[in-house]
Amino acid sequence: DAGITQSPRHKVTETGTPVTLRCHQTENHRYMYWYRQDPGHGLRLIHYSYGVKDTDKGEVSDGYSVSRSKTEDFLLTLESATSSQTSVYFCAISESIGVPGSNQPQHFGDGTRLSIL
Amino acid sequence: AQSVTQLDSQVPVFEEAPVELRCNYSSSVSVYLFWYVQYPNQGLQLLLKYLSGSTLVKGINGFEAEFNKSQTSFHLRKPSVHISDTAEYFCAVSDPSTGFQKLVFGTGTRLLVSP
Repeated sequence: DAGITQSPRHKVTETGTPVTLRCHQTENHRYMYWYRQDPGHGLRLIHYSYGVKDTDKGEVSDGYSVSRSKTEDFLLTLESATSSQTSVYFCAISESIGVPGSNQPQHFGDGTRLSIL
Repeated sequence: AQSVTQLDSQVPVFEEAPVELRCNYSSSVSVYLFWYVQYPNQGLQLLLKYLSGSTLVKGINGFEAEFNKSQTSFHLRKPSVHISDTAEYFCAVSDPSTGFQKLVFGTGTRLLVSP
């Protein structure tokens, strides 16, 4: 398995509280991603990072922010959680195309189940 | 923007029967295509990928998929399923011109294999 660790694995919190999810990788891959998975929607990209301090928005970025201060860590923050952000969150990593051996797709972590009451 | 359509939200099938899970994508330009499998309470695992070359792609666990550019399809097949294949399957597409794997996923197909 690709070395991806998500923490926490489960979290229950209240509306209006801040929440930070962590993704840690040991593969030294350049790209990291945060997705949310909801029934009937599949996985939707929230934010992604293409290097340290380099991030960009995905399809459903409203209400979320990210930070990447080190290659191995990518943090997802919900500044003020809402019930609509109850979901399962997945982190993924990949290497850039063109790097030898890099035609490999994204590898996923095991997810964080977040419930906002 | 690219999109992926998985026409069947759920596919019930008996053990040892063949199965086909359908996937169509919207882009008419060069694409990379993937199938992922998700077992309960786990992350996504790559089944197979199409980057270029032969249109018939073989993956893990006896699955294969055929890239059809004219029909913009990438259907997943297995000639004989097992109970252990019960899972959710996701088709995904990326644009190779971006230089990295920015994936767009379909909504998933739940495969239910019964004895």
